[in-house]
Amino acid sequence: EAGVVQSPRYKIIEKKQPVAFWCNPISGHNTLYWYLQNLGQGPELLIRYENEEAVDDSQLPKDRFSAERLKGVDSTLKIQPAELGDSAVYLCASSLRLTDQETQYFGPGTRLLVL
Amino acid sequence: GQQLNQSPQSMFIQEGEDVSMNCTSSSIFNTWLWYKQEPGEGPVLLIALYKAGELTSNGRLTAQFGITRKDSFLNISASIPSDVGIYFCGWYGNNRLAFGKGNQVVVIP
Repeated sequence: EAGVVQSPRYKIIEKKQPVAFWCNPISGHNTLYWYLQNLGQGPELLIRYENEEAVDDSQLPKDRFSAERLKGVDSTLKIQPAELGDSAVYLCASSLRLTDQETQYFGPGTRLLVL
Repeated sequence: GQQLNQSPQSMFIQEGEDVSMNCTSSSIFNTWLWYKQEPGEGPVLLIALYKAGELTSNGRLTAQFGITRKDSFLNISASIPSDVGIYFCGWYGNNRLAFGKGNQVVVIP
């Protein structure tokens, strides 16, 4: 069974440019998460989707970050404009549903470098 | 807010040695999770703990949920080079999975 797929794996952009990340969750998983991982830290939740609805986006910096999950499957996360401090790993994860006994499966992440 | 300490931050061990790491919290949790993240990859769940006092093994890995529900440890026995990575403890709070800062393990052949 295919895991969570993310692209691109790496992205280098100049500050003030826009950037987008794409995630394809495991087939059948209703819940999709985007996490931010800074160097030397654990992942931190940005947004959680239940099907196509964003049910927890309180930690998403909405002035420059946006996300969508059209049709409740694939998702994109966008930053516009990017800042130097956005350099980090952006991880996507999925699970069948949100419970603390439901395993979250992570993708390999997109490594973003903002110059 | 919740304060979580994960120690030690990094460990250099000889192949074949055992290694232990732990997480402690100022709050009580109902679930403790242990993830491993290898370079260039996302975290992978190793062990999930749901009951205070629970001791669970997964191959050479053993983890325990502390009786006070405020701590957990992970032990790796007879380490091998592929044990290299960052080990995160995780817990659920406010319907979110949150992680500690991680323990970096380096195995020296």
